[in-house]
Amino acid sequence: DAGVIQSPRHEVTEMGQEVTLRCKPISGHDYLFWYRQTMMRGLELLIYFNNNVPIDDSGMPEDRFSAKMPNASFSTLKIQPSEPRDSAVYFCASSLGGGANVLTFGAGSRLTVL
Amino acid sequence: SQQGEEDPQALSIQEGENATMNCSYKTSINNLQWYRQNSGRGLVHLILIRSNEREKHSGRLRVTLDTSKKSSSLLITASRAADTASYFCATVTSGGSYIPTFGRGTSLIVHP
Repeated sequence: DAGVIQSPRHEVTEMGQEVTLRCKPISGHDYLFWYRQTMMRGLELLIYFNNNVPIDDSGMPEDRFSAKMPNASFSTLKIQPSEPRDSAVYFCASSLGGGANVLTFGAGSRLTVL
Repeated sequence: SQQGEEDPQALSIQEGENATMNCSYKTSINNLQWYRQNSGRGLVHLILIRSNEREKHSGRLRVTLDTSKKSSSLLITASRAADTASYFCATVTSGGSYIPTFGRGTSLIVHP
């Protein structure tokens, strides 16, 4: 397996633009997590899915953020409109059987909003 | 909010020395996990230790867990320059959503 695949690896955009980050989890994993990493706040859980269904989105900072998982092999995290404070590295991770088990992380998407 | 907090925030040692990182947490856990993150990369799982376990080993890594003190430690023996990375503990709380909460990490630099 190629592991968790995220795209793009780097994104530079201007304030107000829409940003879409993509994730392909490991085949067979039934949980998918989106985390955000910044120097100030560390690694924060934004949302997680179980069997493609969003379970907890309480970590999503505001309505500008949305996430979908239309099928077991694909998820998106969208920011619209983007703001400079959204600049961070966004990680997708997947696991089999939930967070009590090992998470496999993607390489991350580094977002810079100018 | 962070459940686990690593200590120290940064550690600088010479190759061949041992490195010890600590993690403290506040509420009862189901398990505690340690991850490594190389610069510009994603986190990689190292060891998972369950609440009823006291010690686990994996190669040069040794993890201990003291639930009475709500703390864990990660020991890397005979460190190598390639061990340079950030190390994170993640706690999975008992009776909750069983989702890992990460600390801010310890930045380890191993000088050749």
